[in-house]
Amino acid sequence: EVQLVESGGGLVQPGGSLRLSCAASGFTFSSYWMHWVRQAPGKGLVWVSRINSDGSSTSYADSVKGRFTISRDNAKNTLYLQMNSLRAEDTAVYYCARVHYYGSGSYAVDYWGQGTLVTVSS
Amino acid sequence: SYELTQPPSVSVSPGQTASITCSGDKLGDKYACWYQQKPGQSPVLVIYQDSKRPSGIPERFSGSNSGNTATLTISGTQAMDEADYYCQAWDSILVVFGGGTKLTVL
Repeated sequence: EVQLVESGGGLVQPGGSLRLSCAASGFTFSSYWMHWVRQAPGKGLVWVSRINSDGSSTSYADSVKGRFTISRDNAKNTLYLQMNSLRAEDTAVYYCARVHYYGSGSYAVDYWGQGTLVTVSS
Repeated sequence: SYELTQPPSVSVSPGQTASITCSGDKLGDKYACWYQQKPGQSPVLVIYQDSKRPSGIPERFSGSNSGNTATLTISGTQAMDEADYYCQAWDSILVVFGGGTKLTVL
């Protein structure tokens, strides 16, 4: 059974840092691109970042570029999101997401973690 | 940057057909996906590659995508289908979500 379990969320002051982790199991983690998606309270889904299967390529939403760093440890089957210079507007549930390739150039997020809440407040 | 637009809300009576639209520039040239999210839960993929259903998704869920609009259709809507629905497409290798549509079954 595929499982994605996030951890590391919590309350942090503006300007502070936090590191999220996502422990993956039930599939060959090193074969999949992984993403972070966030959802502010009462708001919609917003893509944050993605990393390719071997960690050599990353992308970020403009809102987090230069502040957040995505990484992965395929030996530990774990995805990370290092978040620095946090702002109130970063407050959200952060989801770890697996992207599956269905062929013919078709991709979709087929598994989501349960999410971890990050609250940025003084 | 690429944008997807959804109506904030759609209402449907039980047993009727609900249609939720997603608009984007030349969206029909891309593949669209749809996710269902119920309160307090993580999203669930209900449609991928415009019209395909993952295993375990009821047949009443269907999708289409042409021109600038993708559409999620729920036939014979049930009370359990009440949820937020998000469309999603790819802008090159970046993920783009629509703003979400709250489906109310009343």
